Order: sequence, then structure tokens, then C-alpha cells
Amino acid sequence: SQTIHQWPATLVQPVGSPLSLECTVEGTSNPNLYWYRQAAGRGLQLLFYSVGIGQISSEVPQNLSASRPQDRQFILSSKKLLLSDSGFYLCACKMGDRGRREQYFGPGTRLTVT
Amino acid sequence: AQSVTQLGSHVSVSEGALVLLRCNYSSSVPPYLFWYVQYPNQGLQLLLKYTTGATLVKGINGFEAEFKKSETSFHLTKPSAHMSDAAEYFCAVSRYSSGNTPLVFGKGTRLSVIA
Repeated sequence: SQTIHQWPATLVQPVGSPLSLECTVEGTSNPNLYWYRQAAGRGLQLLFYSVGIGQISSEVPQNLSASRPQDRQFILSSKKLLLSDSGFYLCACKMGDRGRREQYFGPGTRLTVT
Repeated sequence: AQSVTQLGSHVSVSEGALVLLRCNYSSSVPPYLFWYVQYPNQGLQLLLKYTTGATLVKGINGFEAEFKKSETSFHLTKPSAHMSDAAEYFCAVSRYSSGNTPLVFGKGTRLSVIA
């Protein structure tokens, strides 16, 4: 079965600083990968998804970007953080089998922008 | 386009009572439906899923859900609530007939269990 790793688990960053969150997946190949954000008291917001290396779809225009340099690695970045970027960031994957639709989630990264 | 509506952002039940969390979906194609649970400061965990076949789906932790096409519903139930069931629950639907597009999630229902 697949395992999703995210790091760091928690992060406190000042406004205007850069950001890099990493997600790696084990136990499956050619997965679809996703980045979500949960702001306090709000639901899941899909930020980016990727169906393959170098292929990124952006759902919400903002100061974040994503990259997929390897099949099982997904990175979320920002050049300058805003206060509104605070939240709980979740990476998810869907196995490469097109018949399966369920997504599996990592443990998340809690980001606080001060 | 698919969408999901979860009725009630917060549901409170007594320990041992029936749990009923409501989910209605909108889909122009036969849907794939899911329920997830999220405990504080953790990722989402898949509770159960409906793809095709039997409309009553059993999941982990004693939860089950019934797909009702005529009502476009996929409500989550558990006969007897336990304190450990207190969490946030999300209903989701597969967005398009393509397997590559992301799930569409509801806004979540927070379940509280009172001793």
C-alpha cells in the first residue's frame, strides 16, 4: 500500500519569506498528486494537481507554485509568503490505476505565517 | 459538473446514539462517492467508497453509507456513536468520468460525541 510523507510537520515563517514544502510517495508508481490547503474553520481547498512529472494544473491563482521533479515527489513553493498563506497543507495521491478514484492523504504540514 | 453538499456543519450526538451525517451530490455522470474522516491535526483517512454494485457500503470503524440515486444522496451512518468518533467528516465525489481529475469535497461536518 502507498505511504505519503510530508515535511516539515510544522513551520513558522515570517511574512515575505520563501516556502518549500515537500511530499513524497512510496508504494505506488505514476501516481496523481495533489496539494490542498485547509484554513482555520474552512474546508479543503485544492491548490494544485499533477498527473505526471513536470505536469502541473493550478486550481487557484495565488502566490504559490508547485513542481514535480520526480515521479513520486511533489513540492509546494512560494517566493514571498503572505499572512493568508497560513493553514494546514495536505498532500494527497491517487494510485496510477485509472479505475481507482480514491485519494490518500499525507499527515499534513501546519504553516503559520507571522 | 459535480458538486457535494453536506447538510450541517456541526452535528452533536450522545455516546451510544445513532450517527447520521448527510451528503447530497450533483453529478451528470454515474458518480464515485467517498467518505473521509479527519482527526485534529491529521490528514484525511478514507472511511468507505461507492463505485458500482451494492448500494450499501460498509467501511471502517463500524460506519456505513447507502447510495440512493433517486435522492442523489450518500448519507453516512453508524448505529452507536463512540467518543473516538469525534472528528471532521468529508463527503467527496469523483469530478468527471476521467480518472485523472481530483475529487470534489464537501465543506465537512464536525461530529461531537457527548458522554
